[in-house]
Amino acid sequence: QVQLQESGPGLVKPLETLSLTCTVSGGSITSGNYYWTWIRQSAGRGLEWIGRIYTSGSPTYNPSFKRRVTISLDTSNNRFSLKLTSVTAADAALYFCARAGGVLSWFDPWGQGALVTVSS
Amino acid sequence: DIVMTQSPGSLAVSLGERATINCESSQSLLYSSNNKNYLAWYQQKPGQPPKLLIYWASTRESGVPDRFSGSGSGTDFALTITSLQAEDVAVYYCQQYYSTPPTFGQGTKVEV
Repeated sequence: QVQLQESGPGLVKPLETLSLTCTVSGGSITSGNYYWTWIRQSAGRGLEWIGRIYTSGSPTYNPSFKRRVTISLDTSNNRFSLKLTSVTAADAALYFCARAGGVLSWFDPWGQGALVTVSS
Repeated sequence: DIVMTQSPGSLAVSLGERATINCESSQSLLYSSNNKNYLAWYQQKPGQPPKLLIYWASTRESGVPDRFSGSGSGTDFALTITSLQAEDVAVYYCQQYYSTPPTFGQGTKVEV
């Protein structure tokens, strides 16, 4: 059974870069036609899809993040990562990684989430 | 982006009674080529990630109790919990996957 676990700093300074990693266990990140996804949750914005990366390494991002976001694959360590630049207080949220079964798909499973605070 | 609107925002139901949550999308989620509605439902309990309950608007995920059912088509959908149990207290979300970016409803809190 595939499991996902987020990791990374819980505190990021304003205008710096948020970096999170999602480690996948119980299966290879390159097997199957899956899309590895980042989603965040905040009281003000609810659940918000950030972007995804395919097993081939091709990413797709939510336009609302403009050019601030990068999602990458680390196949040698069976994990994928999120980088969000120039963070502000609005980027404080619970960040989840999840798996999608296709371009147009639901999300299952999810990681437990990583809480990120933005403060100097 | 497709806007998903859930109602009500919160719902108090007695144990053993029925709970119905509504979800409306700003455009149809029915794909004419396969006659499927691209809508999923999730349950989120405190301190936990969302858990998939239903996809294709009405297909129950493996292991989900049959007291959970999804219905609807096009732009109007519902999640029904027949005979509410104490462990069903949670926030429920709908999500469309008809188009990118996928979007979620704002959530409905179900209480006893």
